[in-house]
Amino acid sequence: DAKTTQPPSMDCAEGRAANLPCNHSTISGNEYVYWYRQIHSQGPQYIIHGLKNNETNEMASLIITEDRKSSTLILPHATLRDTAVYYCIVRVPFYNQGGKLIFGQGTELSVKP
Amino acid sequence: NAGVTQTPKFRVLKTGQSMTLLCAQDMNHEYMYWYRQDPGMGLRLIHYSVGEGTTAKGEVPDGYNVSRLKKQNFLLGLESAAPSQTSVYFCASSLPVEGAEAFFGQGTRLTVV
Repeated sequence: DAKTTQPPSMDCAEGRAANLPCNHSTISGNEYVYWYRQIHSQGPQYIIHGLKNNETNEMASLIITEDRKSSTLILPHATLRDTAVYYCIVRVPFYNQGGKLIFGQGTELSVKP
Repeated sequence: NAGVTQTPKFRVLKTGQSMTLLCAQDMNHEYMYWYRQDPGMGLRLIHYSVGEGTTAKGEVPDGYNVSRLKKQNFLLGLESAAPSQTSVYFCASSLPVEGAEAFFGQGTRLTVV
């Protein structure tokens, strides 16, 4: 199974962009990169996902390198409510264990005033 | 829509006792999953189901059984609880579409003493 590697913790000033890196060097061509976050051990909350192209939604942007071995989640204007554990996840195709999500250990992001 | 609902939210069991965790989703999703999360770690897949009446093992299935008698419900059973099963359990559901979002419940915190 593809594995993701993230820094264990990061700090960010409120109002600034938070850039969270992730390495997934063993990802296969048909596996997606997903990002979820978890606040206070609640259920993981979906943020964004991508396969090859960069993606943007109302919450964040996802930048995937051309070789797909790494990606960066960008929160453009971090707020205190963005303090959470952020998981970079590889999702396998559905014919492989039902499209399971492979979680790493996550990055604990602290947004400070 | 309630999304994915888990019951109970908290439970304390004695070693050797049995219990069933219930997951219900109202999004008509075919695929459902049970994960466990141990302290400081990401989620790991226990069992999953690709449709009513079908279940399959995930990464850490030992000590657990599951059933999917109705499309909207996915039950996780512990026949003889052990302290090693102390964890937070999350249920998720998804459409079987590559790139689909997986929706998570709020978790069940189980302590086995």
